This record gives sequence, structure tokens and C-alpha cells, in this order.
Amino acid sequence: DAGVTQSPTHLIKTRGQQVTLRCSPKSGHDTVSWYQQALGQGPQFIFQYYEEEERQRGNFPDRFSGHQFPNYSSELNVNALLLGDSALYLCASSLRQGTGYTFGSGTRLTVV
Amino acid sequence: SQKIEQNSEALNIQEGKTATLTCNYTNYSPAYLQWYRQDPGRGPVFLLLIRENEKEKRKERLKVTFDTTLKQSLFHITASQPADSATYLCALLNTGTASKLTFGTGTRLQVTL
Repeated sequence: DAGVTQSPTHLIKTRGQQVTLRCSPKSGHDTVSWYQQALGQGPQFIFQYYEEEERQRGNFPDRFSGHQFPNYSSELNVNALLLGDSALYLCASSLRQGTGYTFGSGTRLTVV
Repeated sequence: SQKIEQNSEALNIQEGKTATLTCNYTNYSPAYLQWYRQDPGRGPVFLLLIRENEKEKRKERLKVTFDTTLKQSLFHITASQPADSATYLCALLNTGTASKLTFGTGTRLQVTL
């Protein structure tokens, strides 16, 4: 049983560019949440998707957007990249009414 | 404002001793509190969950306590081993149809021989 799969594992982008990160949730899970983790910090909630809609959003600008597909997989898009967007981006899947979260290994984004 | 605090300084202990990590929170009324382990460059791995009406939870060498009056959780690793060296994160979860995990900053544990 596969856990949460994220791709790519590492990415280097230039300031101003756009990036798309991908996540496949754990089998049986229907909700996907995205987190940003800066070095030495805890993960910060970006947003959560359920039934292909954004259900809750953290304190992130509109440059951060997402999508969930009918098979529950999800994408995180970041436009107009800033140096400060460099971080580990984590995807977590869960059941809508559940309490268990499974995290992927993350995508390390470096903006130069 | 809402805040979750974990000791930002690394905790260094000797193998075989009990490690105790602290998580304090303010302006939250969490239904659940979770502890995760995170190794460098990897995603957090779920360890234990404790509900607001539970005082203590155990799993093998791990023990979690939850005091909603003090707004504090303690995480204990008994008979610690070098393989326990990692960053440990506490996270709060409220109930509701749009529940989300809110994390502390984590505490790095280093277990030495």
C-alpha cells in the first residue's frame, strides 16, 4: 500500500518563474493538505482540498494556488516565485472526518 | 494570538535515559494533539495522537500526556537510543469539516552513546 507520493523531490527555479508540485495521496484518503516548511521551522498550513475544492486556506498570498483531481491527487502552483519561497513543500493526505495524517517526503524547492 | 511553543534548543541526552519534550499552546482549544517525528529532508511521521479527554497515551517506549488546564503536552521516550535522534513536532487538530493540523516549531533530540 503506497503512502503519499510527491514529485519532483528537488527543484531549482529562478525568481519570477512559476512552479507546479504534485501529490498522490495514500490509498483510501480523500483529503489533501499542503504545507510549507522553512529550514528550522515547523510546517505551515497552505491550504486543504476536498471534493476538488479548496476548503480552508492558511495565511499565504494568492500566488499560491492548487487543484484536486477526481482521483484525489493534487497540485500546488506557485506563481512569481520569490527567494523566500525556498522551502520544503509537504503534502499530507487524510480522511475528511479522520484524525490520521500521512505525509509525503516533500519537494525541496530552491529559488535562485 | 494562537501560539504553539516547543523548546527550540536541542535536547541532548545519553542513551538509555528518558527524553522528555514539551509542547505548550495558547488560545487553542484542540480536540486532538499529535506528535510527529521528522528526520532531515523527510516528511513528518505520525507517532501518537491523544484526545482532549485523555490524560495519557502509551505506545511501546513512547508516552504522551495532555493537560488541557495547563495547555501542555509532554512527550516521553524511555530507554532512548541513538536511532531516536530526530526532530519531534507537536501538532494540534480541531474538529470540524475543515480541520487542519497546526504545528509547533519542533525540538531536535540528540541521543548519544
